[in-house]
Amino acid sequence: DGGITQSPKYLFRKEGQNVTLSCEQNLNHDAMYWYRQDPGQGLRLIYYSQIVNDFQKGDIAEGYSVSREKKESFPLTVTSAQKNPTAFYLCASSILGGWQPQHFGDGTRLSIL
Amino acid sequence: AQSVAQPEDQVNVAEGNPLTVKCTYSVSGNPYLFWYVQYPNRGLQFLLKYITGDNLVKGSYGFEAEFNKSQTSFHLKKPSALVSDSALYFCAVRDMEYGNKLVFGAGTILRVKS
Repeated sequence: DGGITQSPKYLFRKEGQNVTLSCEQNLNHDAMYWYRQDPGQGLRLIYYSQIVNDFQKGDIAEGYSVSREKKESFPLTVTSAQKNPTAFYLCASSILGGWQPQHFGDGTRLSIL
Repeated sequence: AQSVAQPEDQVNVAEGNPLTVKCTYSVSGNPYLFWYVQYPNRGLQFLLKYITGDNLVKGSYGFEAEFNKSQTSFHLKKPSALVSDSALYFCAVRDMEYGNKLVFGAGTILRVKS
């Protein structure tokens, strides 16, 4: 089945530590997105990429970094500069074109130890 | 900037009754509107979209949405609610000027009681 796989499902970060969240898709989608979900705030865009080796900052990029070396992979690193990283992180992908829906993975829940 | 508002934090409805989850939007240009559903600790599932054409859009699991340009609304509806419809619902609009990103509302919790 085609879809988006996020791993791990749960992740714990120690103070001062960088952690990387994995996102892989086999839908052959060009565009990929990272969102952060906090209770009562909906989803906020962290980074997005429309083509390999290119990505743009979203609304809340500070303290995060990404790479897009392969079409199917878009890992997100939560750096120690992100002071409030506890959240549910969702990866999405879509065909390029505003009318196409985004498809979502099942998320990674990040907590601070 | 594009924006979406979901005025109700929670909607309660009895099983078998019709349900409505409200959404209003603000966009420059023609809106591309979407509804998604989220179950606990899961990702978002696409329900339906409005691009152009008929104002009544039909989607998955018996859901439909009514687009009203004059009221800038895109309310989600279902004629007969099921307990299994209980979930978190998000309305979203596509920001065509910003990498086609989705701008989400804060979400509405739907509780269907038997």
